[in-house]
Amino acid sequence: SYELTQPPSVSVSPGQTARITCSGDALPKQYAYWYQQKPGQAPVVVIYKDSERPSGIPERFSGSTSGTTVTLTISEVQAEDEADYFCQSVDTSASYYVFGNGTKVTVL
Amino acid sequence: EVQLVESGGGLVKPGGSLRLSCGASGFTFNNYRMNWVRQAPGKGLEWVSSISSSSTSIRYADSVKGRFTISRDNAKNSLYLQMNSLRADDTAVYYCARDRSYDILTGLDYWGQGTLVTVSS
Repeated sequence: SYELTQPPSVSVSPGQTARITCSGDALPKQYAYWYQQKPGQAPVVVIYKDSERPSGIPERFSGSTSGTTVTLTISEVQAEDEADYFCQSVDTSASYYVFGNGTKVTVL
Repeated sequence: EVQLVESGGGLVKPGGSLRLSCGASGFTFNNYRMNWVRQAPGKGLEWVSSISSSSTSIRYADSVKGRFTISRDNAKNSLYLQMNSLRADDTAVYYCARDRSYDILTGLDYWGQGTLVTVSS
């Protein structure tokens, strides 16, 4: 079955830039979505359709794509950005959703 | 304001059944595909099932196929998940989530707060 691959963890100092990658064979054909999840809370979408930012999401969150890899970039990281981040897409025929295993972002 | 509120979770014995509900408000429910996504304790997100706006397209993850049934009542703005033959590995927080589309699978733009299902003897 189709899989999305993310690094388990990323550590970053406040004010620096965090980059989280997500790789999958169908990503050139299907959009990716990124969710932020803080402990005890539901996921919140921070990027949709690879690079679009929902209203209310800070501008420091951005998304990009290159081939089979999509990247979530958090610029000028703040302590409140510490969370788990999951990428999500669908298979090539859009028959089912798939999530990456998640990346824990730690703000040092 | 879009709101999704899950209910129906609880403790159930292996082999038992449970029915989850999700009440929707703040948007035109019958314009959107709806989903159930679960998260086992300390684990990642796992998509469970999806139903199109008119119930004509229904999908299941292989892990629940044949045991779970998704349905919706557009007149009541409600989504349901009937879970039968429950197993210990079904233990998770179950989230109701809205797709951005009415029909095709894309991405999930609103999530409920979740309801905990614990399968244990």
